[in-house]
Amino acid sequence: AQTVTQSQPEMSVQEAETVTLSCTYDTSESNYYLFWYKQPPSRQMILVIRQEAYKQQNATENRFSVNFQKAAKSFSLKISDSQLGDTAMYFCAFSSQGGKLIFGQGTELSVKP
Amino acid sequence: EPEVTQTPSHQVTQMGQEVILRCVPISNHLYFYWYRQILGQKVEFLVSFYNNEISEKSEIFDDQFSVERPDGSNFTLKIRSTKLEDSAMYFCASSEGPDGYTFGSGTRLTVV
Repeated sequence: AQTVTQSQPEMSVQEAETVTLSCTYDTSESNYYLFWYKQPPSRQMILVIRQEAYKQQNATENRFSVNFQKAAKSFSLKISDSQLGDTAMYFCAFSSQGGKLIFGQGTELSVKP
Repeated sequence: EPEVTQTPSHQVTQMGQEVILRCVPISNHLYFYWYRQILGQKVEFLVSFYNNEISEKSEIFDDQFSVERPDGSNFTLKIRSTKLEDSAMYFCASSEGPDGYTFGSGTRLTVV
């Protein structure tokens, strides 16, 4: 069975600094997708970034980038130039060809002024 | 940008009552999902729906739950006899495939 683990329940960062959130996963499949979702206090699930396992290049979306290490089954999220609006719960998630998303436990990120 | 719409945003119900949570997925999406998030916990998969039938369900999705796509646009989750532990945020999501999901804004269900 696939699992997703986020080992950092809480993190904090100063505004304008860089922070990295960790995620590891376990699967026997070779083709799959990895996601980071942001959940602000409104509890809406907002897609931050997506990575396809067969692509070696790390995905980047503006200030958000990932470090995808397929052999190590690691998928960390780097947030550069942190902003107050980045304060939220961040969930790492996995999907295979079967379709459903499997989520990690979440990391609560606080950006401090 | 296309959206997944969920109604109501908040529902309060008495224990033992039936509730129906409604979702309008994105029109050209083929896969539909319900997820649940108990306050402070992770998001849990309940059920997936494809081609007018359940394609997968979790252990949580027992006989008190059912899903339906009654009219080709709405996608509903029914909880037959609610329990206190059903209090949670329920998210609907839709996708074209396994590489992109759009979530609705959720329905907060409170069972009293």
